[in-house]
Amino acid sequence: DIQMTQSPSTLSASVGDRVTITCRASQSISSWLAWYQQKPGKAPKVLIYDASTLDSGVPSRFSGSGSGTEFTLTISSLQPDDFATYYCQQYNSYWTFGQGTKVEIK
Amino acid sequence: EVQLVESGGGLVQPGGSLRLSCAASGFTFSNYWMSWVRQAPGKGLEWVANIKKDGSEKYYVDSVKGRFTITRDNAKNSLYLQMKSLRGEDTAVYYCARDGIGGITLHAFDIWGQGTMVTVSS
Repeated sequence: DIQMTQSPSTLSASVGDRVTITCRASQSISSWLAWYQQKPGKAPKVLIYDASTLDSGVPSRFSGSGSGTEFTLTISSLQPDDFATYYCQQYNSYWTFGQGTKVEIK
Repeated sequence: EVQLVESGGGLVQPGGSLRLSCAASGFTFSNYWMSWVRQAPGKGLEWVANIKKDGSEKYYVDSVKGRFTITRDNAKNSLYLQMKSLRGEDTAVYYCARDGIGGITLHAFDIWGQGTMVTVSS
């Protein structure tokens, strides 16, 4: 089974900050990685798929990079609507999510 | 509007059974693989089960194999999850999701329902 490890688990930041979240896979997953945003009481929403492709309607301040086993999600300038929990997910072999990174207000 | 709406959650005793449903609308349901994903209270997301477009292939996370069964009815645009021998650790919000974006063989989940809560407790 492929394990996904995100860091950090919690991130405190201010509006306007540049934020980076890391996701590591236990084995190579090529570029088969997605990032999701989830707000309390709501379903997850896909932001990025295939490691770096922005889903339709997602603001350009979000970007993804990486391949193989190391991936990053970057928010170039944090906005009030971005305070949420973010999950990575691999879809190279079945589906596995990272444990999540909560982005909270500093 | 593309939409998934789950139903069927509730309180069930350990060892009991429950059947979840997911009604799809706004897209050609039979063109997509579909999944169930769950989230225990205060915890992360866990993929549970997946079914091919025509229902001929099904995959499960190890912890539910032999207890849960995923099915679909393309004529009714509906996805189901039959859950048996339920345990406390199955307590979670259950989401249905469309495998619809990215990838070649497998895909990320582009459409999600609002979720239905399953509580396993005596």
